[in-house]
Amino acid sequence: TQLLEQSPQFLSIQEGENLTVYCNSSSVFSSLQWYRQEPGEGPVLLVTVVTGGEVKKLKRLTFQFGDARKDSSLHITAAQPGDTGLYLCAGARSWGKLQFGAGTQVVVTP
Amino acid sequence: ETGVTQSPTHLIKTRGQQVTLRCSSQSGHNTVSWYQQALGQGPQFIFQYYREEENGRGNFPPRFSGLQFPNYSSELNVNALELDDSALYLCASSLAGGTAIEAFFGQGTRLTVV
Repeated sequence: TQLLEQSPQFLSIQEGENLTVYCNSSSVFSSLQWYRQEPGEGPVLLVTVVTGGEVKKLKRLTFQFGDARKDSSLHITAAQPGDTGLYLCAGARSWGKLQFGAGTQVVVTP
Repeated sequence: ETGVTQSPTHLIKTRGQQVTLRCSSQSGHNTVSWYQQALGQGPQFIFQYYREEENGRGNFPPRFSGLQFPNYSSELNVNALELDDSALYLCASSLAGGTAIEAFFGQGTRLTVV
């Protein structure tokens, strides 16, 4: 059972478009991580957010942590084919024990 | 490159057999967690090891067991394999303590049970 709900499950867009992925939970987390995973590989950490209301930018990626630390969003500006992948959010409960969402599959076509 | 390495990368086993998966943690990390990722799903927490002892367990039966060694490397053992055990098994290493726990994953072991 996934206690973190990610939406949408699948997103297909053209190169240059913007997209937003959402991660919602009824639980409060001490921190939340976003990962990107490619087929047959392990998840790669993109960002960690800790403080409620925090916004972090990583080039064209913007991450936001909700004020109550229960939800988060990932926004990609001017998506590129290299952004294709499975985006996973994970809430940290303690000592690296992560609760993952089911993921959002993003496909960016040229 | 996270420095977390897993072996083997792929494995095919028969139902009822036993399997051992291995993980070397990133330098400086003292905690290892194991996750199971079924096709189309996010990773599910199996258990975590810290200081060679189990430090938390997810909703997995006792036939899933593990070890952590003094050099912080770890093994995941699964007995009496079932078809539903087919999945990508991921190892993640982290450093205990602090407010923001960041886990770094290996490339995973793809286990197929036939």
